[in-house]
Amino acid sequence: GAVVSQHPSWVICKSGTSVKIECRSLDFQATTMFWYRQFPKQSLMLMATSNEGSKATYEQGVEKDKFLINHASLTLSTLTVTSAHPEDSSFYICSAGRTGGFLNTEAFFGQGTRLTVV
Amino acid sequence: QKEVEQNSGPLSVPEGAIASLNCTYSDRVSQSFFWYRQYSGKSPELIMSIYSNGDKEDGRFTAQLNKASQYVSLLIRDSQPSDSATYLCAVRAGTALIFGKGTTLSVSS
Repeated sequence: GAVVSQHPSWVICKSGTSVKIECRSLDFQATTMFWYRQFPKQSLMLMATSNEGSKATYEQGVEKDKFLINHASLTLSTLTVTSAHPEDSSFYICSAGRTGGFLNTEAFFGQGTRLTVV
Repeated sequence: QKEVEQNSGPLSVPEGAIASLNCTYSDRVSQSFFWYRQYSGKSPELIMSIYSNGDKEDGRFTAQLNKASQYVSLLIRDSQPSDSATYLCAVRAGTALIFGKGTTLSVSS
């Protein structure tokens, strides 16, 4: 299957600082990537859809100025959590869809990033 | 709002038994359905995808889809302790996936 790499796997940051998370599709081009957040014992909640070369589409209730998404190439999307606060501590997971074909119907997930804001 | 519902469990079965996981969805026009397994602290991994009514078998796993009832299930035969995890049902909505809250499965040896 397709490989999606996410970095870093975990990060601890101080309240008020910003953190950038990278999501790369290693063996395919992804015009669309998705960012999810998962709190303990909760399901994955879609935060935004990242589209290569255009603005991301944010889900209702997600602050676009706080969660900055950049999808500058067909293999890389970044999520920057700006002015992080303890309530932003969560497990952030990206996924990517390959363009066209059968694999376009499946989501391939990165390893996830555990963010802890202290 | 599109919803995917699962019983959170925990579902406990003895080793070797059949585990049955259920999921219902609200969007009648949905066409693509997926089961993911997620171990604690890890990202989800795809187990099965199903697009047509009926059963789809892959090894010890069988996915069942009934679009009229808006119901999809996953059967795990000969359950093993290593199957203990949270199982997420996902339904495609546009280009993204909408996930249920997951069912926690515990297989005891």
